[in-house]
Amino acid sequence: EAGVAQSPRYKIIEKRQSVAFWCNPISGHATLYWYQQILGQGPKLLIQFQNNGVVDDSQLPKDRFSAERLKGVDSTLKIQPAKLEDSAVYLCASSLDARDATEAFFGQGTRLTVV
Amino acid sequence: SQQGEEDPQALSIQEGENATMNCSYKTSINNLQWYRQNSGRGLVHLILIRSNEREKHSGRLRVTLDTSKKSSSLLITASRAADTASYFCATVRGYQKVTFGIGTKLQVIP
Repeated sequence: EAGVAQSPRYKIIEKRQSVAFWCNPISGHATLYWYQQILGQGPKLLIQFQNNGVVDDSQLPKDRFSAERLKGVDSTLKIQPAKLEDSAVYLCASSLDARDATEAFFGQGTRLTVV
Repeated sequence: SQQGEEDPQALSIQEGENATMNCSYKTSINNLQWYRQNSGRGLVHLILIRSNEREKHSGRLRVTLDTSKKSSSLLITASRAADTASYFCATVRGYQKVTFGIGTKLQVIP
């Protein structure tokens, strides 16, 4: 089966610019996650969707970050305006259903550098 | 916030030796998962252990879970150079909320 697809793989922007990341989860997976992974740290959950509804966005900096999952499939994560501390790898993951104990499948990530 | 905390943060062993990594967490969980991340890549799921299980095996991997101590361990037997990676434990609670620890960086020297 095809894995989780993310694009772009790399992005370099100047601070105060905006950027968007795209994720296509595995077909049929109801749950979609966006994580931020700063170099040397573990992934930090930004937002979790169940179909097209938000389950958890408690750690999403809502003044600058936004995410949507239209039609419960693809998702986009946007940062506007970006700050230097947003430099990180942004990982998208999906799992079959949050109501069951299933593994999460991760994409390769988008490495964002803010200069 | 990080729920799990792996120990040690870095581990260097010779090929053929066993590697043991530990994970401690703070709140009750539904299940605990271990993931591997090679440098610059996404995370790969290794094994899932439910809260009512104590031990689980998968190939050269052995995972234990002690819910009374809120801890888990991952044992990799007969390590290989290809096992060099960062290993993360992820606790799952509530509505499949997956929270990762800070990771253990394993280096296996050929």
